[in-house]
Amino acid sequence: GQNIDQPTEMTATEGAIVQINCTYQTSGFNGLFWYQQHAGEAPTFLSYNVLDGLEEKGRFSSFLSRSKGYSYLLLKELQMKDSASYLCAVRRNSGNTPLVFGKGTRLSVIA
Amino acid sequence: DGGITQSPKYLFRKEGQNVTLSCEQNLNHDAMYWYRQDPGQGLRLIYYSQIVNDFQKGDIAEGYSVSREKKESFPLTVTSAQKNPTAFYLCASSNSIRQGFNSPLHFGNGTRLTVT
Repeated sequence: GQNIDQPTEMTATEGAIVQINCTYQTSGFNGLFWYQQHAGEAPTFLSYNVLDGLEEKGRFSSFLSRSKGYSYLLLKELQMKDSASYLCAVRRNSGNTPLVFGKGTRLSVIA
Repeated sequence: DGGITQSPKYLFRKEGQNVTLSCEQNLNHDAMYWYRQDPGQGLRLIYYSQIVNDFQKGDIAEGYSVSREKKESFPLTVTSAQKNPTAFYLCASSNSIRQGFNSPLHFGNGTRLTVT
């Protein structure tokens, strides 16, 4: 089967750094995606990793270790608007196949 | 601006009625997808289509039907056979055939369906 695990909820302080972990066990791997979703809205694409290592995009970075089936999303200089759910998703096969999503991590940023 | 339009945003139906959710995209994407989102469940795949006139069942296709007669449109019908239809439905598209494996999904704003 397909298994993608993320913590259900996290809380962090404005201005701090938070790391959201994702572990996966899937039949096939062709890349891992992170999405941000505010309540009642559409998910928006944040990052993509297919090779091991860190990808940095402004305040957000994403890391992948394929041998460990592990990824994390790092958010720096947290802002109140970063309060949202963060979804980890895996593409198992070629580009035409859908993404398999984890259940998401709800992040609350507090003052 | 290009994007994906889902309508309506909120939909109410009586139990036993079929209902069709609209999804239109003007991004010229080949692939389109329907996901369902329930609290604590994450996104689960209902159906997807990689090309016009072709579609595949996802993990939870029972009680749903789709069509892909045009590249821009991928409507989802929730039939009376779907046991728990109340949910948030998200449509997405991607340019996977041209871009390859790193093409992200672009989502519509969703339709919240309530069946009573």
